[in-house]
Amino acid sequence: EAGVAQSPRYKIIEKRQSVAFWCNPISGHATLYWYQQILGQGPKLLIQFQNNGVVDDSQLPKDRFSAERLKGVDSTLKIQPAKLEDSAVYLCASSFPTGGRTKNIQYFGAGTRLSVL
Amino acid sequence: GENVEQHPSTLSVQEGDSAVIKCTYSDSASNYFPWYKQELGKRPQLIIDIRSNVGEKKDQRIAVTLNKTAKHFSLHITETQPEDSAVYFCAASIHSGGGADGLTFGKGTHLIIQP
Repeated sequence: EAGVAQSPRYKIIEKRQSVAFWCNPISGHATLYWYQQILGQGPKLLIQFQNNGVVDDSQLPKDRFSAERLKGVDSTLKIQPAKLEDSAVYLCASSFPTGGRTKNIQYFGAGTRLSVL
Repeated sequence: GENVEQHPSTLSVQEGDSAVIKCTYSDSASNYFPWYKQELGKRPQLIIDIRSNVGEKKDQRIAVTLNKTAKHFSLHITETQPEDSAVYFCAASIHSGGGADGLTFGKGTHLIIQP
């Protein structure tokens, strides 16, 4: 099966500029996650969608970050305005909800590497 | 919220030897513990996972153990090979079906297999 697709792979911007990342999850996966991975650290959850609804955005810096998944498939994460500390890899993941207490495996995309100068 | 600590940050072993990476978690409600392998510049890939109703799980050269009482879990790799060199991340989440189940990751262990 095709994996999680992300674009662009790399992005370089100056501080205070805006940037957007795109994610296409695995077909049929209702749950989509955005993670931020700063160099040398583990990924940190930013937001989780179930179809087109937000399940958890408690760690999303809402003054500058926004995300949407309007049709319950593709998703876009935006940063406006960017700061130096936003330099990181932004990973998208998706999972197929199986209901009950069955674990949902999260499959990750290759990520977008953002450099803020 | 959940906090996951991972040790060591770097582990160097001779090819053929075993490697052990340890993690602790803080939230006793966490019930799902996956391990991901990430090669340089590539996506994290799931290598093994365990649920809280199981104490140990094995898949060929890889095994994971879980101690719910102590809130720690470990990854064991036996007969290490050069292709095992990568960064390994442990993670924890609370999965109850349909709710928030984002992963909380440790900081990672850079495993180096010496030839």
